[in-house]
Amino acid sequence: DAGITQSPRHKVTETGTPVTLRCHQTENHRYMYWYRQDPGHGLRLIHYSYGVKDTDKGEVSDGYSVSRSKTEDFLLTLESATSSQTSVYFCAISPGTGGYEQYFGPGTRLTVT
Amino acid sequence: DAKTTQPTSMDCAEGRAANLPCNHSTISGNEYVYWYRQIHSQGPQYIIHGLKNNETNEMASLIITEDRKSSTLILPHATLRDTAVYYCIVRAPSGNTPLVFGKGTRLSVIA
Repeated sequence: DAGITQSPRHKVTETGTPVTLRCHQTENHRYMYWYRQDPGHGLRLIHYSYGVKDTDKGEVSDGYSVSRSKTEDFLLTLESATSSQTSVYFCAISPGTGGYEQYFGPGTRLTVT
Repeated sequence: DAKTTQPTSMDCAEGRAANLPCNHSTISGNEYVYWYRQIHSQGPQYIIHGLKNNETNEMASLIITEDRKSSTLILPHATLRDTAVYYCIVRAPSGNTPLVFGKGTRLSVIA
């Protein structure tokens, strides 16, 4: 399995608080992604990164920001958490060559109360 | 990205080959066929991908028809741990193209 870890794995937070989720890889892959998965909506891309300090928005980026200061770490921040951001968040990585297949982390289950 | 059609569900006896079909009749020349699966409460798992030739790795084989309008994922000796939802995705290989999972096929491996 690709070396991808996510932390925390579970978090409960209150509405209005900032939350940061961390994705860490040991594969030295160029691309990193943050997705959220919700029943009825499938997997949706929030933000992605194509290199250190190079990021771009996905289809559901409102209310989220990201940072990538090192190749191995990609942080997702919910600036002011809302109940609609209760979801399972998956990080993925891709080598950025060949088929650009993506490898996923184990996920973070976030509950905003 | 081209759309795909998969059966909603399939059963397979443990130890037998599981053959999961996928139709992608509108696939473009530069688009690849990818297969992923998701076991309940886990992250999606990449299985295999191909352009036009058949591919095999340690997990599965991918058979793509000559006209590339359909493909079959083969798990040669299914085990209970292969019970999952399997997704066939057609997309051009690119770093800035997100994965879009459809409804997939729910494969149940039965003892």
